[in-house]
Amino acid sequence: AQSVSQHNHHVILSEAASLELGCNYSYGGTVNLFWYVQYPGQHLQLLLKYFSGDPLVKGIKGFEAEFIKSKFSFNLRKPSVQWSDTAEYFCAVYNNNDMRFGAGTRLTVKP
Amino acid sequence: DAGITQSPRHKVTETGTPVTLRCHQTENHRYMYWYRQDPGHGLRLIHYSYGVKDTDKGEVSDGYSVSRSKTEDFLLTLESATSSQTSVYFCAISDPIGAGDGGNTIYFGEGSWLTVV
Repeated sequence: AQSVSQHNHHVILSEAASLELGCNYSYGGTVNLFWYVQYPGQHLQLLLKYFSGDPLVKGIKGFEAEFIKSKFSFNLRKPSVQWSDTAEYFCAVYNNNDMRFGAGTRLTVKP
Repeated sequence: DAGITQSPRHKVTETGTPVTLRCHQTENHRYMYWYRQDPGHGLRLIHYSYGVKDTDKGEVSDGYSVSRSKTEDFLLTLESATSSQTSVYFCAISDPIGAGDGGNTIYFGEGSWLTVV
């Protein structure tokens, strides 16, 4: 079965700092990749997704992610975080009706 | 937001009692899912459905059953609730066939907070 690893459990940044959250997956076939965000007390919302084509994907709120097939990675980036980006971020991999999520990375942005 | 409604949103129940959570969608999506979310585990799939009366097990299906008698409703039942089933439960939907946004995107409901005491 495929699995997803998110390397950082909790990241603390100051406003305007750059962000990179790591995500690696184990499945070797064709996959669809996602990043979801969960603000405190809310449900998961889609940030961005990769199905095919340009491996650099741009999402909402200034987030982007790069799919590197050779490294089985799909890291999330943002050049300058804001206090409102404080949330939990989940990487997910979809293949053949099986959607697997990473354990999540909690991001705290200090004003 | 996707048209997904979960009920109840919050419930406290006693160990050993049966509990049913309901997920209702207005999108006519074929696939529906139940996940549980626990600290340190992310989201784990309990069961999913790929059509009316068609369901399958996920990673953590023990102690749970599901039913889907209509496209729009997907019920999750805890047959005899235990404290380890205290969690937040999310329903999700997707429509891999013919979806304009590339298919397999999963959209989530707002969650049902279940506490088993």
